[in-house]
Amino acid sequence: EVQLVESGGDLAQPGGSLRLSCEVSGFTFSRFDMSWVRQAPGKGLEWVASIADSGAAPQYADSVKGRFTISRDNSKNTLYLQLNSLRGEDTAVYHCARVFLSVDPGDKSLFYFYMDVWGNGTTVIVSS
Amino acid sequence: DIQMTQSPSSLSASVGDSVTITCQASQDINNWLNWYQQKSGKAPKILIYGASNLEEGVPSRFSGSGSGTEFTLTITSLQAEDFATYYCQHYDNLVRIGFGPGTRVEVK
Repeated sequence: EVQLVESGGDLAQPGGSLRLSCEVSGFTFSRFDMSWVRQAPGKGLEWVASIADSGAAPQYADSVKGRFTISRDNSKNTLYLQLNSLRGEDTAVYHCARVFLSVDPGDKSLFYFYMDVWGNGTTVIVSS
Repeated sequence: DIQMTQSPSSLSASVGDSVTITCQASQDINNWLNWYQQKSGKAPKILIYGASNLEEGVPSRFSGSGSGTEFTLTITSLQAEDFATYYCQHYDNLVRIGFGPGTRVEVK
């Protein structure tokens, strides 16, 4: 069974740091890109960051660029998100998600990128 | 940045109804558009990818269409388990990703 289990969420002070982890099982982790998506209380979904299967080419939402760092350890089947310089608006449930990526260089309509498996999330609260 | 809008923001419907949700992009995004369903307190679930492709295991009453800037998600013969919030999500080849604000489908 494919599973993604997040951990590391906690109460943190503004300006503080946290490290989130996402441990995966049931599939070959090193073959998939991964993403983090968050949801503030009562709000919609917000993409946070993505990373390639090799760990290369991390991409970030403008709202977290320079403060958050996505990384992975393929030997441990674990995805990470380092959260620094935390702000109140970072309060959210953070989900990790596996990415389905398919590219056809000859036909851009056959380029697919979507989150096909999600974890249940870990809660980050930023408050003094 | 590409901005996504969804309409309506919420709707009320009954079991058996057909409902349509629209997602509009601020610029041409080809067919690079996905749809997710999220039930309260749960993780999102992929329904449609590439604007019109049904994810494996998703009931055929869900369908997606559109390209460019206008996209629709249609649920025919709404079932009790379909009451949820639906999000569109765009992507591109530079891994720029964004979600629409969501459409809540409620029981009439």
